[in-house]
Amino acid sequence: QVQLVESGGGLVKPGGSLRLSCAASGFTFSDYFMSWIRQAPGKGLEWLSYISATSDTIYYADSVKGRFIISRDNAKNSLYLQMSRLTAEDTAVYYCTRTYYGMDIWGQGTTVTVSS
Amino acid sequence: ENVLTQSPATLCLSPGERATLSCRASQSVGRYLAWYQQKPGQAPRLLVYEISNRATGIPGRFSGSGSGTDFTLTITSLEPEDFAVYYCHQSSSWPRTFGQGTKVEIK
Repeated sequence: QVQLVESGGGLVKPGGSLRLSCAASGFTFSDYFMSWIRQAPGKGLEWLSYISATSDTIYYADSVKGRFIISRDNAKNSLYLQMSRLTAEDTAVYYCTRTYYGMDIWGQGTTVTVSS
Repeated sequence: ENVLTQSPATLCLSPGERATLSCRASQSVGRYLAWYQQKPGQAPRLLVYEISNRATGIPGRFSGSGSGTDFTLTITSLEPEDFAVYYCHQSSSWPRTFGQGTKVEIK
């Protein structure tokens, strides 16, 4: 079935780095745009980043620009988010989404906690 | 940035009642307005895209309407499983933005 599975979350110290992965299955990954969304504890949804199907178009939210890098490997059906210079404000559940007409497929999320 | 403002913040209704949720954008979004539902501990789910198109598998009691900067999600008769938080989202301009959410809770 169509599915996205995130991994790579965990506990990291302020200033540290983490790489999130999102494994896609059940659809032709290379045909779709993809996005990362996050949700801080008890808060709403925050759009973070977008990547086109061929990686030629990328956008970031101002809150992560210069610190996070989105990428994908279509041969591996995988999406990534390299996060650096993390702060407590980056503590959240991170979701990858398939972006087509709306964000129609979401992963279950992976939790990132930034704390000393 | 296109700021989306949802109202009300909380809607207290009984099963069977009609729910009307509002989303107002600070700039026109054209057709690129979507609605998502999120239940506790779950990922959001796409309900409606491009203002009024229901996503696959979404029941007919959910409908979206509006134009320009003012949009509405209507749930005609609330089912127990509809009590959740609802977010609007624009994909007309960068950065993409979400509203702050409307919680529909049981009265």
